[in-house]
Amino acid sequence: GNSVTQMEGPVTLSEEAFLTINCTYTATGYPSLFWYVQYPGEGLQLLLKATKADDKGSNKGFEATYRKETTSFHLEKGSVQVSDSAVYFCALYSGGGADGLTFGKGTHLIIQP
Amino acid sequence: DGGITQSPKYLFRKEGQNVTLSCEQNLNHDAMYWYRQDPGQGLRLIYYSQIVNDFQKGDIAEGYSVSREKKESFPLTVTSAQKNPTAFYLCASSIARVGTGELFFGEGSRLTVL
Repeated sequence: GNSVTQMEGPVTLSEEAFLTINCTYTATGYPSLFWYVQYPGEGLQLLLKATKADDKGSNKGFEATYRKETTSFHLEKGSVQVSDSAVYFCALYSGGGADGLTFGKGTHLIIQP
Repeated sequence: DGGITQSPKYLFRKEGQNVTLSCEQNLNHDAMYWYRQDPGQGLRLIYYSQIVNDFQKGDIAEGYSVSREKKESFPLTVTSAQKNPTAFYLCASSIARVGTGELFFGEGSRLTVL
């Protein structure tokens, strides 16, 4: 079956540091890939997505590139802010309705001033 | 503004009681979902519905029930048969029945069993 593996947290960084959160996946076919973000006490929001190999998704200074050869979709940001503190979920969708959506376990990011 | 509204935000329940969590959307989305979130376990699918009057079990449906009588509403009942109901529950919707993986989430309901 499909699976998504994320680096375990919490990840603690200082403000303005460079961020990488690793995500690798296992899936049949050609899934779409997503990063969702969950701020404290809230639901998830879509942060960015990529639907085919070599696509780069970007939003709010975050980027991730769909790497089929390494089955990865790492999230990066050049300079993080305290407001980026949240839980980040990597996910894939392989089609077929709700059963085709698989989430990683989430990575808790803490940014210190 | 369009969105998904979950209520209540916090709920306390005694063991043996059923509780119902409300989820309403005004996005005109066809599909709706319920997920359970536990620390360190990510999101697990409880039930989903792709159309009014139809729904399917997800990975952890035991001890839960749902209904979809209206397109806008997808309430979740946590029954006394659910052995470990304390969790954060998230409702979501998507624009199409087939789906794209792109979900819109409510702000969640935190259930605590006393």
